[in-house]
Amino acid sequence: GQQVMQIPQYQHVQEGEDFTTYCNSSTTLSNIQWYKQRPGGHPVFLIQLVKSGEVKKQKRLTFQFGEAKKNSSLHITATQTTDVGTYFCAGQKGAQKLVFGQGTRLTINP
Amino acid sequence: DTAVSQTPKYLVTQMGNDKSIKCEQNLGHDTMYWYKQDSKKFLKIMFSYNNKELIINETVPNRFSPKSPDKAHLNLHINSLELGDSAVYFCASSLTSGSPYEQYFGPGTRLTVT
Repeated sequence: GQQVMQIPQYQHVQEGEDFTTYCNSSTTLSNIQWYKQRPGGHPVFLIQLVKSGEVKKQKRLTFQFGEAKKNSSLHITATQTTDVGTYFCAGQKGAQKLVFGQGTRLTINP
Repeated sequence: DTAVSQTPKYLVTQMGNDKSIKCEQNLGHDTMYWYKQDSKKFLKIMFSYNNKELIINETVPNRFSPKSPDKAHLNLHINSLELGDSAVYFCASSLTSGSPYEQYFGPGTRLTVT
């Protein structure tokens, strides 16, 4: 079945450093979504990427979808303590279920 | 106004008991989901209903039985609870038409089985 792998599992950075998490799918996706879960909270939708090679930005966050639509990345520039949480990618193939990656837990040293 | 709500927020119970978790969404979505998040934060889908019809039924013990009385509600009943059922259970909802197919998650129910 479809699998979505996400790395790294954990990342600890100093405040102000950059952070990147990577997502790889075993199959070609129709779209990929990114969610953020704060400690003790629930996943919250950040963005969806649909087109091959698509790049979207939200302030300090940059999301990319690979040319082959099998991988994606989330890059945060100059992390802040409010960025703490677990970031999940989730891939979807057509109308099939959304498959979540294992998540990357980001912690930040102020 | 809460978009997706779940009750209870916390549930502590003993092995062998039967318990239910309720979920309601006021977003007008036609699809609802149950996810299980284990201690390692892995989010795994359990069930999905579209317009009260079961469309996703993952490999879940048959002790878990979802029920959708209407489009806005999806409940989860668990029989004969086991230690391994301890986790956070999230309800979510989405539209199945249009883009994006983003999912809105409820606050979660932390189930602890002792």
